[in-house]
Amino acid sequence: GAGVSQSPRYKVAKRGQDVALRCDPISGHVSLFWYQQALGQGPEFLTYFQNEAQLDKSGLPSDRFFAERPEGSVSTLKIQRTQQEDSAVYLCASSLGPRYNSPLHFGNGTRLTVT
Amino acid sequence: AQKITQTQPGMFVQEKEAVTLDCTYDTSDPSYGLFWYKQPSSGEMIFLIYQGSYDQQNATEGRYSLNFQKARKSANLVISASQLGDSAMYFCAMREGSETSGSRLTFGEGTQLTVNP
Repeated sequence: GAGVSQSPRYKVAKRGQDVALRCDPISGHVSLFWYQQALGQGPEFLTYFQNEAQLDKSGLPSDRFFAERPEGSVSTLKIQRTQQEDSAVYLCASSLGPRYNSPLHFGNGTRLTVT
Repeated sequence: AQKITQTQPGMFVQEKEAVTLDCTYDTSDPSYGLFWYKQPSSGEMIFLIYQGSYDQQNATEGRYSLNFQKARKSANLVISASQLGDSAMYFCAMREGSETSGSRLTFGEGTQLTVNP
């Protein structure tokens, strides 16, 4: 597709359930990022992939969060045993390359609500 | 220390007037890029404009221009001839060139712009 595609658009999970969020980046984009955005705040970095390699996962808030990009294209962010504080919009972004002059292009996000 | 600071939580502007959204940044990396994004209430994050640390001229994209003052570490966004559709949250962001930064984009807290008819 032309842009970054994320699914589902909305997800409601009961506390303790596992969820999986999918990101399909722009074709040919080497770099892929996951961000978490709380209401009224700027996005916060979670993790970064260059091709299939996860080069930085320092932003993942706990070991309940796991991300993968096994073939260097589609990525999945998994949250195990969801908690209410996990409620947020999860944004995926991709860029052509890792250099500082390459803009990130974002998907529409997945709004996760944990009840 | 905050890497990106946006000091205006909210701004109001009259339709057809120009508005400046402030952004200051902090980095010791000589190579970096500065970006502005627009996020309407629908939630998508739209890339507007980019300025590189070595660029001699201020970036422009249509009605958007970036007032880059390197010595002051500021990268203000100027929107000319505001339109009602410009009402949105605006984020300033930076991508540093060093390997240790992981190439991540770091965002400010955002400025909510409201354009009045």
